[in-house]
Amino acid sequence: ETGVTQSPTHLIKTRGQQVTLRCSSQSGHNTVSWYQQALGQGPQFIFQYYREEENGRGNFPPRFSGLQFPNYSSELNVNALELDDSALYLCASSFPGEEKLFFGSGTQLSVL
Amino acid sequence: AQSVTQLDSHVSVSEGTPVLLRCNYSSSYSPSLFWYVQHPNKGLQLLLKYTSAATLVKGINGFEAEFKKSETSFHLTKPSAHMSDAAEYFCVVSITGGGNKLTFGTGTQLKVEL
Repeated sequence: ETGVTQSPTHLIKTRGQQVTLRCSSQSGHNTVSWYQQALGQGPQFIFQYYREEENGRGNFPPRFSGLQFPNYSSELNVNALELDDSALYLCASSFPGEEKLFFGSGTQLSVL
Repeated sequence: AQSVTQLDSHVSVSEGTPVLLRCNYSSSYSPSLFWYVQHPNKGLQLLLKYTSAATLVKGINGFEAEFKKSETSFHLTKPSAHMSDAAEYFCVVSITGGGNKLTFGTGTQLKVEL
């Protein structure tokens, strides 16, 4: 077990709606990253948070946003959902300065 | 920009035979390279990582990878495949200056047959 839990495991939304995905990391993991994995593809980096501030973003529009909380939990918010947002969303956390990431099992989002 | 290319989308081997999963990288600097494995309904798990120490890197479950700068390759091998090795494998490079921000390859699906 990685100690990283994500909720919900599955979610169905319709186009135009908003969604919030949640992640709970191990104690001491003050760096959290979110990745999007489309079907048949490798995960793509969305953004990273360190000490509750965004610390790098991939090629994703501003309607993808996040929050990190002092209790090692975090959220990924997506506004104005599009069909192409259907994917597995992965949360990964790490100790400060460490390259090893601990991944959750992901949230499977379907946008209809 | 840094990137990785996984040369095979699917690899099929018989149990007990060697495994070779191929990966080439592109990087302006000395890269940090990783192999991750993804079993169905489970999180990604780190198999091994290269960070400019020894060029032959040993990982978990009998896997190893060799960093070859002249060939810009980082192929993953295992001497003898086990049924439990069937999974998706990703070659990964750390984004320049990004610490643990990662760029994943497209993945290789490993099938192990009896």
